[in-house]
Amino acid sequence: LAKTTQPISMDSYEGQEVNITCSHNNIATNDYITWYQQFPSQGPRFIIQGYKTKVTNEVASLFIPADRKSSTLSLPRVSLSDTAVYYCLVGALSGGYQKVTFGIGTKLQVIP
Amino acid sequence: GAVVSQHPSRVICKSGTSVKIECRSLDFQATTMFWYRQFPKQSLMLMATSNEGSKATYEQGVEKDKFLINHASLTLSTLTVTSAHPEDSSFYICSAGRDYEQYFGPGTRLTVT
Repeated sequence: LAKTTQPISMDSYEGQEVNITCSHNNIATNDYITWYQQFPSQGPRFIIQGYKTKVTNEVASLFIPADRKSSTLSLPRVSLSDTAVYYCLVGALSGGYQKVTFGIGTKLQVIP
Repeated sequence: GAVVSQHPSRVICKSGTSVKIECRSLDFQATTMFWYRQFPKQSLMLMATSNEGSKATYEQGVEKDKFLINHASLTLSTLTVTSAHPEDSSFYICSAGRDYEQYFGPGTRLTVT
């Protein structure tokens, strides 16, 4: 399982765009990159997943450079409700059936 | 979307007793479920992989006789904490896999007094 490295914490003002970068130098060819969000006392919630280049959905964008050794989760115009811990995970396409390892995550604090 | 539920959401038990936590996939069949434990201000730690119809696979350092896992059907896995101690107090989260994604339950807060 590829190890991931993220900043421990980040602060941002409401309305700003937030970019959280994750390093995964040992990512394997078959690995996908998945980001989860977790609020206190709740289970993690899927945000976005990608393999290469750029992926966008209704809540976030994921940027993956050509070497795939890092990825950046972009949250547009954050609000106070985006205050949470964000986890970057790396795993195979059949990730639903394989165990994943959570790193420490990035605690995002959105400031009014 | 896929939904995973857990029951109970929180439970308080006395030291030495056993407590069972249920994890259900509500709208899909899950051949594989995972159990995690999360202590305050820490990340999720995988405890075991639960496979329908077979024995669970436990992570290193997790006592299989203390944390009993039963995956009797394609929609239900249970975690029983036996002879609970105060240090077992934690947030227990399950997830169920489908395709490329894991869907997480809301978690169960266990407090052992």
